Amino acid sequence: GAGVSQTPSNKVTEKGKYVELRCDPISGHTALYWYRQSLGQGPEFLIYFQGTGAADDSGLPNDRFFAVRPEGSVSTLKIQRTERGDSAVYLCASSVTRDRVDEQFFGPGTRLTVL
Amino acid sequence: KNEVEQSPQNLTAQEGEFITINCSYSVGISALHWLQQHPGGGIVSLFMLSSGKKKHGRLIATINIQEKHSSLHITASHPRDSAVYICAVGGTYAGGTSYGKLTFGQGTILTVHP
Repeated sequence: GAGVSQTPSNKVTEKGKYVELRCDPISGHTALYWYRQSLGQGPEFLIYFQGTGAADDSGLPNDRFFAVRPEGSVSTLKIQRTERGDSAVYLCASSVTRDRVDEQFFGPGTRLTVL
Repeated sequence: KNEVEQSPQNLTAQEGEFITINCSYSVGISALHWLQQHPGGGIVSLFMLSSGKKKHGRLIATINIQEKHSSLHITASHPRDSAVYICAVGGTYAGGTSYGKLTFGQGTILTVHP
């Protein structure tokens, strides 16, 4: 079956611009996670959704970052007034449930470059 | 100090060698994940374990909950094993709630030469 997909695969933008990154989780997966991976580092947690609601957004670095999942499936990570330090690979993952720890299935990531 | 520490950070081996990557963590967890990431590629889950040992092909993962330590072993290593191996812990208890948020180690870059 289809895995987690993310679009675009690459995004180049200029400092100060607004960007949206999309994640399509595996059908039926209720939990969705966004992570950010800087070059040479392990991924870092950004935000986690259970269904439509953001259950934990403690990893969002500041109020320029926002994410939604209005119908409990597709999620969009939105970054306002992008900065060069936002350049990274943004990873999305989904899993079946949140009440126990399940295997997470990762998307291929979106590589964001802010010039 | 990071909550998840991996060692070594870089590992070079000759084809056929036995490889061990270590992971130590400092928080209570429900499960530990070993993940593989190829250059330019996505992340693939290798193992999720909460106790004991798991084996899949040439890969073996062990965990010692009391010592908060896990190891990933690769037997008869091959150049196609070259990748970044990442340890991640999930189900970190916070305020009595456990869930699947993962905390990652920095990764171990493995290069296997023919």
